[in-house]
Amino acid sequence: QVQLKETGPGLVQPTQTLSITCTVSGFSLTSYYMQWVRQTPGKGLEWMGFIRSGGSTEYNSEFKSRLSISRDTSKNQVFLKMNSLKTEDTGVYYCARDPLMGFFDYWGQGVMVTVSS
Amino acid sequence: DIQMTQSPASLSASLGETVTIECRASEDIYSNLAWYQQKPGNSPQLLIYDANSLADGVPSRFSGSGSGTQYSLKINSLQSEDVASYFCQQYNNYPWTFGGGTKLELK
Repeated sequence: QVQLKETGPGLVQPTQTLSITCTVSGFSLTSYYMQWVRQTPGKGLEWMGFIRSGGSTEYNSEFKSRLSISRDTSKNQVFLKMNSLKTEDTGVYYCARDPLMGFFDYWGQGVMVTVSS
Repeated sequence: DIQMTQSPASLSASLGETVTIECRASEDIYSNLAWYQQKPGNSPQLLIYDANSLADGVPSRFSGSGSGTQYSLKINSLQSEDVASYFCQQYNNYPWTFGGGTKLELK
């Protein structure tokens, strides 16, 4: 069955870089888009960006200058990296599967990230 | 960016009641709208896509409608397991954007 699981650090210091891995099973990364969405106390649910089945990426301009999404299809993993973290980046980060349509049919459990010194 | 405005922000209803949640887009999104349910401590789950298509495994008491800038999610015969927050999301224009959510509680 379809499964997605995010792993990442629970705590990141301000100005540092956040790295999260989404490991998937039950489907191929070359057949679906993979999205990243976060949920913060200040802004609620925010779409961050995605990587297409062919490997190209699209980013929310809100994050574009500091966000990078990549993948390793051989390991069924998608990666999020975001630099210059601020306390407002505290929240739950989700990866989600997109059936090439723009909505999200499966979500990971999410990983809570706290940005604090 | 397209702004998605949900109403009401919170809602209290009785078991068996019919509930309607509204979502208004700041411009025409041509039915490129999804609805999600999020129970406390869980990730969002897809309910409806393309404004009125029921996602796999979702009970038929959930339905979506609307067009242009106005959309709604209806829950018929409210069940206890429907207590959750509900979010709309547009995918017509980048950046995809979400509504602020509606928290549904039992009366």
